Amino acid sequence: DTGVSQNPRHKITKRGQNVTFRCDPISEHNRLYWYRQTLGQGPEFLTYFQNEAQLEKSRLLSDRFSAERPKGSFSTLEIQRTEQGDSAMYLCASSPQGSVQPQHFGDGTRLSIL
Amino acid sequence: GNSVTQMEGPVTLSEEAFLTINCTYTATGYPSLFWYVQYPGEGLQLLLKATKADDKGSNKGFEATYRKETTSFHLEKGSVQVSDSAVYFCALINTGTASKLTFGTGTRLQVTL
Repeated sequence: DTGVSQNPRHKITKRGQNVTFRCDPISEHNRLYWYRQTLGQGPEFLTYFQNEAQLEKSRLLSDRFSAERPKGSFSTLEIQRTEQGDSAMYLCASSPQGSVQPQHFGDGTRLSIL
Repeated sequence: GNSVTQMEGPVTLSEEAFLTINCTYTATGYPSLFWYVQYPGEGLQLLLKATKADDKGSNKGFEATYRKETTSFHLEKGSVQVSDSAVYFCALINTGTASKLTFGTGTRLQVTL
């Protein structure tokens, strides 16, 4: 079990730049989730894929954010024109299909906006 | 909507003390309930879960019972160890919300010798 892998672990960028994060889920999991966690808070849901289809997006996901999962395997999360408020830990999770299947989380990508 | 409320931390205990971390929830329908743990420098790990009323989830000496009448899922451990120091998150999945987790704000536990 290789677990959920996220890259990079840390990203530091200047305000206004674009950033892209990658998530590789557990291979047999067809569901993939993105969450955002700020300091002292619990993770907040951003978006969710079943295979390659993006089935739900949170209102937290402004039009500067876009997520893809083109072949139903790895996923990318892109943030355009980054703002100070985007500084957070971005978490990816995956699970098998089924509403009570536990989600397995990666170690996250920490984004810092200068 | 769905929400989870946890007791604020940090919780500081001596080794071998009894632990309770309170968690209450608000949800429509019949949610499944989870406790996740985040050790320093690591990702979230599932600690235990319960999928229906009166179910008890247990793992590594931790337990939590799904109480529908009080909408609670309190985490307990009889004797904590220094290695249990971490942040603990209570969370729910409501079957009507595409399986996304709703988390509480987390409770930091610090266990000292």
